[in-house]
Amino acid sequence: QKEVEQNSGPLSVPEGAIASLNCTYSDRGSQSFFWYRQYSGKSPELIMSIYSNGDKEDGRFTAQLNKASQYVSLLIRDSQPSDSATYLCAVTPGAGGTSYGKLTFGQGTILTVHP
Amino acid sequence: ETGVTQTPRHLVMGMTNKKSLKCEQHLGHNAMYWYKQSAKKPLELMFVYNFKEQTENNSVPSRFSPECPNSSHLFLHLHTLQPEDSALYLCASSPHRDRGHWGTEAFFGQGTRLTVV
Repeated sequence: QKEVEQNSGPLSVPEGAIASLNCTYSDRGSQSFFWYRQYSGKSPELIMSIYSNGDKEDGRFTAQLNKASQYVSLLIRDSQPSDSATYLCAVTPGAGGTSYGKLTFGQGTILTVHP
Repeated sequence: ETGVTQTPRHLVMGMTNKKSLKCEQHLGHNAMYWYKQSAKKPLELMFVYNFKEQTENNSVPSRFSPECPNSSHLFLHLHTLQPEDSALYLCASSPHRDRGHWGTEAFFGQGTRLTVV
């Protein structure tokens, strides 16, 4: 059973639209949630982190967390072709032991923004 | 540039070779990690080091041997690998946090693309 699940896509949106990326996780005690962007052939780049229920906005990006539903999402407003990449959802485990940076990743969602 | 540097960027090795991957972080972090990224699979955590001590070995075969001489440097020694070990190997680091703050973001190096022939 997968611990972090994402729709692998590809998700295709037109330029200027809102892209919505979703992620569910199985560990109810998970504490921290991250979205990474990975361009083809490159390493993952952290774009958002969220630790408590609700929304967190940073520029065109909004992360949403619902711990009761074990669900985290990323919205990208005014999508640009440069946003085309694989978006990785990552979760840290619940309390107990050392969890610094011990991330469990989803498979990633491929996003394509077409002009 | 994330402050985490990996060398080499590409490596082709035979199954009988011995090679090492190097990672160096300039961020003052105390935790370092090796992750493996294979095609069509999620990123997999391999090893975790906190303050130079190995705190996690995620059931990694012994043909992969990590070494962490100090908080800024991390190595992955490779020997008698298999073709299925071909993947992107990513090093990451993160800052220390108090036990009351679980989990923190990890910053990745550019990775080493390994091909075993």
